[in-house]
Amino acid sequence: DADVTQTPRNRITKTGKRIMLECSQTKGHDRMYWYRQDPGLGLRLIYYSFDVKDINKGEISDGYSVSRQAQAKFSLSLESAIPNQTALYFCATSDPTRRSADTQYFGPGTRLTVL
Amino acid sequence: GDSVTQMEGPVTLSEEAFLTINCTYTATGYPSLFWYVQYPGEGLQLLLKATKADDKGSNKGFEATYRKETTSFHLEKGSVQVSDSAVYFCALPSGNTGKLIFGQGTTLQVKP
Repeated sequence: DADVTQTPRNRITKTGKRIMLECSQTKGHDRMYWYRQDPGLGLRLIYYSFDVKDINKGEISDGYSVSRQAQAKFSLSLESAIPNQTALYFCATSDPTRRSADTQYFGPGTRLTVL
Repeated sequence: GDSVTQMEGPVTLSEEAFLTINCTYTATGYPSLFWYVQYPGEGLQLLLKATKADDKGSNKGFEATYRKETTSFHLEKGSVQVSDSAVYFCALPSGNTGKLIFGQGTTLQVKP
């Protein structure tokens, strides 16, 4: 089984709808991240969490919110989706206590289309 | 702030050709440097990394050397295969958040 999973893998929704993307990990890592990928822009950080009680905004957090329900779960919500939030969304984890602390492990991604 | 710049793609090569994908960076200090690969329909996977100047990361026939003097971390492979077709991202960790700063990605297409 994959260490970092994301659901759903694909989602089409309409402008104004509320959407939640979920991420689960079995790696036991404390740190989790949400990125979005847009063609020609690489990946940009939306939110990150160091543990259940420590959540921080990334560079493009406007229009998004997150919830860290447990060490293993980190959800991303779009309260009122808009078309320019159409993108590929990735969850990632890392473990700062390990020797390879700066290595991140990515989920398979969620492709979101907002019509 | 920290940044990563990659050569623009797409890069189209014939099988067994030599590959170079350029990556340069701007950073405070000397962070680790990464290459991630994204195969079609999949998430990003760590391809290789280097943690200090003059280190060479290598994996699956790919290599990249951390060049402090030119602030570069170019990805090379001597003989590409069709299965290497993917998007390649250069990245570095920024600050104490652990977040990664990514280049824009370079699409590689290898034709038989």
